[in-house]
Amino acid sequence: AQSVTQLDSQVPVFEEAPVELRCNYSSSVSVYLFWYVQYPNQGLQLLLKYLSGSTLVESINGFEAEFNKSQTSFHLRKPSVHISDTAEYFCAVRLQNYGGSQGNLIFGKGTKLSVKP
Amino acid sequence: EPEVTQTPSHQVTQMGQEVILRCVPISNHLYFYWYRQILGQKVEFLVSFYNNEISEKSEIFDDQFSVERPDGSNFTLKIRSTKLEDSAMYFCASSEAGLPSEKLFFGSGTQLSVL
Repeated sequence: AQSVTQLDSQVPVFEEAPVELRCNYSSSVSVYLFWYVQYPNQGLQLLLKYLSGSTLVESINGFEAEFNKSQTSFHLRKPSVHISDTAEYFCAVRLQNYGGSQGNLIFGKGTKLSVKP
Repeated sequence: EPEVTQTPSHQVTQMGQEVILRCVPISNHLYFYWYRQILGQKVEFLVSFYNNEISEKSEIFDDQFSVERPDGSNFTLKIRSTKLEDSAMYFCASSEAGLPSEKLFFGSGTQLSVL
């Protein structure tokens, strides 16, 4: 079975500081990797995803995540955060080839990023 | 960007009562999902729905749960007899083609509180 671990439930940072939100996964077969973000009072939105190719993927708002197969990690980073980045961030995996009840997104517990002025 | 709409945003009910959570997926999407998140825990998959039938369901989705697409726009989750442990945020989602690599569009959730 697949699982996702987000070790940090809350990450407080000051504006313009760098941040890293950690995500580790466990799977015996190939998976796709995702980061979703939930801003206050909104639904989860896809931030970025890794399907194949370059292990570094970027979002349009300055976040990036790097797939590390040997460490089974997909950490999310941003070199300089803004107040508007305050949100909850969810790491998720999905089997590349699936069937039955294992075919859907498997989420971590989420990390609440709080950016302070 | 198109949105998935969920109503109500908050629902309070007594244990043993039936509740229906409503969702309007994005109009050209074919795959629909329900997920839930109990406070402090992971977002968990409940069920996926395609072509007017359940395509997958998790162990959580027992006989107390049912889903329906009663018309061309709504997608509902019914809990027949609510239990305290059903208290959670319930998220509806939809996708165009149901591919594993595909983006899911989520609603903002319904917070269900069972008293």
